[in-house]
Amino acid sequence: GAGVSQSPSNKVTEKGKDVELRCDPISGHTALYWYRQSLGQGLEFLIYFQGNSAPDKSGLPSDRFSAERTGGSVSTLTIQRTQQEDSAVYLCASSLYLLSTRGGNEQFFGPGTRLTVL
Amino acid sequence: LAKTTQPISMDSYEGQEVNITCSHNNIATNDYITWYQQFPSQGPRFIIQGYKTKVTNEVASLFIPADRKSSTLSLPRVSLSDTAVYYCLVGVRGYQKVTFGTGTKLQVIP
Repeated sequence: GAGVSQSPSNKVTEKGKDVELRCDPISGHTALYWYRQSLGQGLEFLIYFQGNSAPDKSGLPSDRFSAERTGGSVSTLTIQRTQQEDSAVYLCASSLYLLSTRGGNEQFFGPGTRLTVL
Repeated sequence: LAKTTQPISMDSYEGQEVNITCSHNNIATNDYITWYQQFPSQGPRFIIQGYKTKVTNEVASLFIPADRKSSTLSLPRVSLSDTAVYYCLVGVRGYQKVTFGTGTKLQVIP
Protein backbone atom coordinates (compact mmCIF):
# COMPACT_ATOMS: atom_id res chain seq x y z
CA GLY A 1 0.00 0.00 0.00
CA ALA A 2 0.95 3.64 -0.23
CA GLY A 3 1.27 4.19 3.49
CA VAL A 4 1.42 2.52 6.86
CA SER A 5 -1.84 0.84 7.77
CA GLN A 6 -3.04 -0.35 11.15
CA SER A 7 -5.92 -2.52 12.23
CA PRO A 8 -8.29 -2.36 13.85
CA SER A 9 -8.81 1.39 13.91
CA ASN A 10 -10.76 1.08 17.14
CA LYS A 11 -10.81 -1.67 19.73
CA VAL A 12 -12.97 -1.84 22.81
CA THR A 13 -12.23 -4.67 25.18
CA GLU A 14 -12.94 -5.74 28.71
CA LYS A 15 -10.37 -5.67 31.44
CA GLY A 16 -8.43 -8.93 31.53
CA LYS A 17 -8.86 -9.79 27.87
CA ASP A 18 -5.99 -10.12 25.40
CA VAL A 19 -5.76 -7.89 22.33
CA GLU A 20 -3.70 -7.96 19.15
CA LEU A 21 -2.89 -4.84 17.17
CA ARG A 22 -1.59 -5.11 13.64
CA CYS A 23 0.71 -2.89 11.62
CA ASP A 24 1.45 -3.11 7.90
CA PRO A 25 4.48 -0.94 7.13
CA ILE A 26 5.40 0.63 3.84
CA SER A 27 6.79 -2.00 1.51
CA GLY A 28 10.57 -2.12 1.60
CA HIS A 29 10.93 -0.30 4.92
CA THR A 30 13.37 -2.19 7.08
CA ALA A 31 12.63 -0.46 10.39
CA LEU A 32 9.34 -0.50 12.25
CA TYR A 33 8.39 1.29 15.48
CA TRP A 34 5.54 1.12 17.98
CA TYR A 35 4.45 4.09 20.10
CA ARG A 36 1.67 4.74 22.56
CA GLN A 37 -0.13 8.03 23.01
CA SER A 38 -2.45 8.63 25.91
CA LEU A 39 -5.08 11.35 25.70
CA GLY A 40 -3.43 14.77 25.50
CA GLN A 41 0.03 13.31 25.97
CA GLY A 42 3.12 12.98 23.82
CA LEU A 43 4.25 9.82 22.11
CA GLU A 44 5.73 7.11 24.32
CA PHE A 45 8.17 4.88 22.49
CA LEU A 46 7.55 1.16 23.02
CA ILE A 47 9.75 -0.91 20.73
CA TYR A 48 11.48 -0.94 17.36
CA PHE A 49 12.32 -3.64 14.85
CA GLN A 50 15.25 -3.83 12.49
CA GLY A 51 14.07 -6.49 10.08
CA ASN A 52 12.44 -9.10 12.30
CA SER A 53 14.66 -8.38 15.26
CA ALA A 54 13.78 -6.26 18.28
CA PRO A 55 17.12 -5.63 20.03
CA ASP A 56 15.71 -3.57 22.89
CA LYS A 57 12.43 -4.44 24.58
CA SER A 58 12.96 -2.29 27.64
CA GLY A 59 10.47 0.32 26.43
CA LEU A 60 7.55 -2.07 26.74
CA PRO A 61 5.51 -0.97 29.81
CA SER A 62 5.22 -4.43 31.35
CA ASP A 63 5.62 -8.13 30.59
CA ARG A 64 1.99 -8.16 29.46
CA PHE A 65 3.18 -6.42 26.30
CA SER A 66 4.91 -8.28 23.48
CA ALA A 67 5.56 -7.64 19.83
CA GLU A 68 6.74 -9.57 16.84
CA ARG A 69 7.47 -8.94 13.22
CA THR A 70 7.50 -11.57 10.53
CA GLY A 71 8.92 -11.62 7.02
CA GLY A 72 10.37 -8.17 7.57
CA SER A 73 6.90 -6.80 7.09
CA VAL A 74 3.79 -7.11 9.26
CA SER A 75 4.10 -6.54 12.97
CA THR A 76 1.76 -7.45 15.80
CA LEU A 77 1.65 -5.84 19.21
CA THR A 78 -0.04 -8.07 21.77
CA ILE A 79 -1.32 -6.94 25.15
CA GLN A 80 -2.28 -9.71 27.53
CA ARG A 81 -4.70 -9.31 30.43
CA THR A 82 -5.49 -5.73 29.49
CA GLN A 83 -5.85 -3.10 32.18
CA GLN A 84 -7.66 0.24 32.06
CA GLU A 85 -4.35 2.09 32.04
CA ASP A 86 -3.58 0.42 28.70
CA SER A 87 -6.26 2.59 27.08
CA ALA A 88 -4.50 4.79 24.53
CA VAL A 89 -3.85 5.23 20.82
CA TYR A 90 -1.19 2.82 19.62
CA LEU A 91 0.79 4.17 16.68
CA CYS A 92 3.02 2.27 14.33
CA ALA A 93 5.64 3.85 12.09
CA SER A 94 8.15 2.60 9.56
CA SER A 95 11.26 4.03 7.97
CA LEU A 96 13.47 2.98 5.11
CA TYR A 97 16.43 2.61 7.42
CA LEU A 98 16.76 2.55 11.15
CA LEU A 99 16.76 6.05 12.61
CA SER A 100 20.33 6.28 13.82
CA THR A 101 23.17 8.09 12.14
CA ARG A 102 21.54 8.24 8.74
CA GLY A 103 19.83 11.43 7.82
CA GLY A 104 16.72 11.71 5.74
CA ASN A 105 15.18 8.54 7.07
CA GLU A 106 12.02 9.95 8.48
CA GLN A 107 9.35 7.84 10.09
CA PHE A 108 6.01 7.41 8.36
CA PHE A 109 3.18 6.90 10.80
CA GLY A 110 -0.01 4.95 10.49
CA PRO A 111 -3.40 6.28 11.65
CA GLY A 112 -3.21 4.40 14.92
CA THR A 113 -5.43 1.98 16.82
CA ARG A 114 -7.54 3.48 19.57
CA LEU A 115 -7.73 0.95 22.40
CA THR A 116 -10.32 1.33 25.11
CA VAL A 117 -10.28 -1.03 28.05
CA LEU A 118 -13.50 -1.05 30.03
CA LEU B 1 19.64 9.71 25.16
CA ALA B 2 19.14 13.22 23.83
CA LYS B 3 16.33 14.88 25.73
CA THR B 4 14.41 17.71 24.12
CA THR B 5 12.60 20.66 25.67
CA GLN B 6 9.98 22.72 23.86
CA PRO B 7 7.37 25.30 24.87
CA ILE B 8 4.08 23.66 25.72
CA SER B 9 1.96 25.97 23.58
CA MET B 10 2.04 28.99 21.28
CA ASP B 11 -0.58 31.21 19.68
CA SER B 12 -0.17 33.07 16.41
CA TYR B 13 -2.34 35.07 14.02
CA GLU B 14 -2.85 33.95 10.47
CA GLY B 15 -0.22 35.21 8.06
CA GLN B 16 2.48 35.58 10.68
CA GLU B 17 5.77 33.74 10.82
CA VAL B 18 6.03 31.28 13.70
CA ASN B 19 9.28 30.15 15.28
CA ILE B 20 9.31 27.18 17.64
CA THR B 21 12.55 26.48 19.48
CA CYS B 22 13.69 23.14 20.81
CA SER B 23 16.53 22.67 23.30
CA HIS B 24 18.68 19.54 23.11
CA ASN B 25 21.74 20.23 25.24
CA ASN B 26 23.19 16.71 25.12
CA ILE B 27 22.89 16.15 21.39
CA ALA B 28 25.51 13.70 20.12
CA THR B 29 27.91 14.32 17.27
CA ASN B 30 26.06 12.23 14.72
CA ASP B 31 22.53 13.07 15.81
CA TYR B 32 20.10 14.61 13.36
CA ILE B 33 17.26 16.91 14.35
CA THR B 34 13.82 16.10 13.01
CA TRP B 35 10.49 17.89 13.35
CA TYR B 36 7.08 16.28 13.09
CA GLN B 37 3.57 17.72 12.91
CA GLN B 38 0.53 16.01 14.39
CA PHE B 39 -3.11 16.87 13.78
CA PRO B 40 -5.81 15.55 16.13
CA SER B 41 -6.66 11.88 15.59
CA GLN B 42 -3.77 11.40 13.17
CA GLY B 43 -0.26 10.03 13.40
CA PRO B 44 2.66 12.48 13.27
CA ARG B 45 3.91 13.61 9.89
CA PHE B 46 7.51 14.44 8.98
CA ILE B 47 8.17 18.13 8.33
CA ILE B 48 11.89 18.69 8.09
CA GLN B 49 15.25 17.30 9.17
CA GLY B 50 18.69 18.83 9.52
CA TYR B 51 22.15 18.45 10.97
CA LYS B 52 23.58 21.97 11.06
CA THR B 53 23.09 25.54 9.82
CA LYS B 54 19.90 25.92 7.81
CA VAL B 55 17.59 23.62 5.93
CA THR B 56 14.60 24.79 3.92
CA ASN B 57 11.86 22.92 2.13
CA GLU B 58 8.47 23.83 0.75
CA VAL B 59 6.87 23.69 4.18
CA ALA B 60 9.34 25.10 6.69
CA SER B 61 12.86 26.14 7.56
CA LEU B 62 15.07 24.69 10.24
CA PHE B 63 17.78 26.78 11.86
CA ILE B 64 20.53 25.07 13.84
CA PRO B 65 23.28 27.14 15.53
CA ALA B 66 26.91 26.08 15.48
CA ASP B 67 26.78 24.41 18.92
CA ARG B 68 23.67 22.43 17.87
CA LYS B 69 22.26 22.60 21.38
CA SER B 70 19.03 24.01 20.07
CA SER B 71 17.08 24.27 16.86
CA THR B 72 14.29 26.49 15.58
CA LEU B 73 11.47 25.45 13.32
CA SER B 74 10.20 28.37 11.27
CA LEU B 75 6.78 28.28 9.62
CA PRO B 76 6.26 31.16 7.20
CA ARG B 77 2.86 32.86 7.01
CA VAL B 78 0.87 30.32 8.99
CA SER B 79 -2.74 29.54 8.20
CA LEU B 80 -5.50 28.00 10.29
CA SER B 81 -4.59 24.59 8.89
CA ASP B 82 -1.20 24.81 10.59
CA THR B 83 -2.89 24.43 13.97
CA ALA B 84 -1.30 21.25 15.30
CA VAL B 85 1.22 19.84 17.75
CA TYR B 86 4.83 20.10 16.65
CA TYR B 87 7.42 17.65 17.96
CA CYS B 88 11.20 17.95 17.97
CA LEU B 89 13.10 14.67 17.84
CA VAL B 90 16.83 14.12 18.06
CA GLY B 91 18.12 10.95 16.44
CA VAL B 92 20.63 9.01 18.48
CA ARG B 93 23.65 7.06 17.41
CA GLY B 94 22.77 3.40 17.61
CA TYR B 95 19.06 3.54 18.05
CA GLN B 96 17.85 3.77 21.63
CA LYS B 97 14.57 4.51 23.30
CA VAL B 98 13.17 7.69 21.88
CA THR B 99 10.59 10.04 23.22
CA PHE B 100 8.82 12.74 21.29
CA GLY B 101 7.90 14.54 24.48
CA THR B 102 4.67 16.51 24.71
CA GLY B 103 5.52 18.80 21.78
CA THR B 104 4.38 22.37 21.19
CA LYS B 105 0.71 22.97 20.58
CA LEU B 106 0.40 25.74 18.00
CA GLN B 107 -2.94 27.52 17.79
CA VAL B 108 -3.40 29.76 14.77
CA ILE B 109 -5.96 32.50 15.30
CA PRO B 110 -7.98 34.10 12.48
